[in-house]
Amino acid sequence: QVQLVQSGAEVKKPGASVKVSCKTSGYSFTSYYMHWVRQAPGQGLEWMGIINPIGGGTSYAQKFQGRVTMTSDTSTSTVYMELSSLRSEDTAVYYCAREIRVGKNWFDPWGQGTLVTVSS
Amino acid sequence: DIQMTQSPSSLSASVGDRVTITCRASQSIGSFLNWYQQKRGKAPKILIYAASSLQSGVPSRFSGSGSGTDFTLTISSLQPEDFGTYYCQQSYSTPYTFGQGTKLEIK
Repeated sequence: QVQLVQSGAEVKKPGASVKVSCKTSGYSFTSYYMHWVRQAPGQGLEWMGIINPIGGGTSYAQKFQGRVTMTSDTSTSTVYMELSSLRSEDTAVYYCAREIRVGKNWFDPWGQGTLVTVSS
Repeated sequence: DIQMTQSPSSLSASVGDRVTITCRASQSIGSFLNWYQQKRGKAPKILIYAASSLQSGVPSRFSGSGSGTDFTLTISSLQPEDFGTYYCQQSYSTPYTFGQGTKLEIK
């Protein structure tokens, strides 16, 4: 079955960077775009960006431009999201989600989430 | 960016009730509208895609309707396991924005 398994929780200091991984299995990795979405504590869902696993083409939300980098490794069927210059407002659960695109498009499934805590 | 506005932000209903959640887009998005359910501490799960298509495995009491700017998620007969937070999402253009969520509690 399709699985997205993310790396474990992280605690970072302000100004540091964090890199979250999302290892996929059960489907053709290069056939589906991948997205990253985050959710601050008690808040809603915020779209961060998209990566095409073939070639690594990306598009990021303007809010994260210059701070976020999404990459893919086809040899391990894994995508990564790195966020730099962390501040307390970046404390959130970060999700990867596979995009299904058949005319219309939606996210299914999602990874289990990775909690990133930014604290001095 | 396309803004998505859900209402209500929270609601409490009884088992067996018919529940309706609405979502409005700030511009026309055709039927590029998805609904997700999220339980506490879990990742969101797709319920309805393309405004009205039921995801495989999702109970038929869930349905979606609408096009353009106004959309509705309906639960025909609320069950105890339907508690959680529901989000709409537009997938018409990036950034793929979400509504602020509707927290559904069972009375």
